[in-house]
Amino acid sequence: AQRVTQPEKLLSVFKGAPVELKCNYSYSGSPELFWYVQYSRQRLQLLLRHISRESIKGFTADLNKGETSFHLKKPFAQEEDSAMYYCALRDNNDMRFGAGTRLTVKP
Amino acid sequence: SQTIHQWPATLVQPVGSPLSLECTVEGTSNPNLYWYRQAAGRGLQLLFYSIGIDQISSEVPQNLSASRPQDRQFILSSKKLLLSDSGFYLCAWSARWTPLHFGNGTRLTVT
Repeated sequence: AQRVTQPEKLLSVFKGAPVELKCNYSYSGSPELFWYVQYSRQRLQLLLRHISRESIKGFTADLNKGETSFHLKKPFAQEEDSAMYYCALRDNNDMRFGAGTRLTVKP
Repeated sequence: SQTIHQWPATLVQPVGSPLSLECTVEGTSNPNLYWYRQAAGRGLQLLFYSIGIDQISSEVPQNLSASRPQDRQFILSSKKLLLSDSGFYLCAWSARWTPLHFGNGTRLTVT
């Protein structure tokens, strides 16, 4: 079965600093990976997915099959980026999430 | 457009009482439906998912059960709640190859 690991439960950076939220996975097939975000008092929502290869709100994530990683990055963090971030991997209909990383961006 | 409704938003129930949480999806047909439990430090735990009526996969053995009486309705139930059932429960849907869309969640407190 697939497995997703987010090694950092908490991450704190200052506004304007780069941020990287780590995600590692274990999966024998070709993975379909996602990042979800939950802002305070809002529902969990999709941030980006690896097949789209897009940048959303300044965030990017590159799938590295050699390192089995899908780290989320942003060059200049903003206070409004403070939220809970979840990495997820889908195998057919089975969607598994990591434990999540709470990002706090300090002014 | 598609919408997902989950209710109630909050629920306080005594130990040993039954549970029924309901989730419905509008604007799509034959969605994949999911129940997750969100716990601090443990992320999102997949409880059940369903790819069709009466097709439900259980991921974690526990005293919870799920049913899908209609195409766009997914119900999470328990006959007797335990203290450990307290948590935040999320319903989600997806179509094949699309991302998951989540409901607002239900905060369950078992006293």
